Amino acid sequence: KAGVTQTPRYLIKTRGQQVTLSCSPISGHRSVSWYQQTPGQGLQFLFEYFSETQRNKGNFPGRFSGRQFSNSRSEMNVSTLELGDSALYLCASSLGTVLSAEQFFGPGTRLTVL
Amino acid sequence: TQLLEQSPQFLSIQEGENLTVYCNSSSVFSSLQWYRQEPGEGPVLLVTVVTGGEVKKLKRLTFQFGDARKDSSLHITAAQPGDTGLYLCAGENQAGTALIFGKGTTLSVSS
Repeated sequence: KAGVTQTPRYLIKTRGQQVTLSCSPISGHRSVSWYQQTPGQGLQFLFEYFSETQRNKGNFPGRFSGRQFSNSRSEMNVSTLELGDSALYLCASSLGTVLSAEQFFGPGTRLTVL
Repeated sequence: TQLLEQSPQFLSIQEGENLTVYCNSSSVFSSLQWYRQEPGEGPVLLVTVVTGGEVKKLKRLTFQFGDARKDSSLHITAAQPGDTGLYLCAGENQAGTALIFGKGTTLSVSS
């Protein structure tokens, strides 16, 4: 079966702009989680959506937001980009909530902020 | 703050060597997961250990969960170039809302 897909794979933006990243989960999976991965901080949890509802949110500023659609596809948005937002953004899908079922990660979107 | 500390941060070895990487915390975890992430890909779950003292084997990989459930180790026997990647450990945070990850061990196996 098809895995988790993320688009775009690479993105270059400048400070102050906003960006929207997309994630299509594995068919049948209802939970989508987003993570930020940087060399300095490692992999950090952003938020989890389950059946279109945000279940949990990590310790990130309000500039980071997300949503999930009825087909389980998810988007995350970062407004007023800062240099420190440069990172690999990963999404993961699972049948159940992130702590109850195995997560399957997509390949990520590499965001560079200039 | 609940942290998972992984060591070593980097490891570069020759094919055929054995190695062990560690995941340590001062906090107790109900379970720990190990992932491998290859360049350009997302992490892939290797194993979940849930019982203190548990040992799980996955071909040449041996995973152990500490008796006190505060630490775990991953031992690779006769490493191969295909083992190259970033090894991450993860556990449930105290609030029970998300996974927290260690910063990982980057392993490079050369032939």
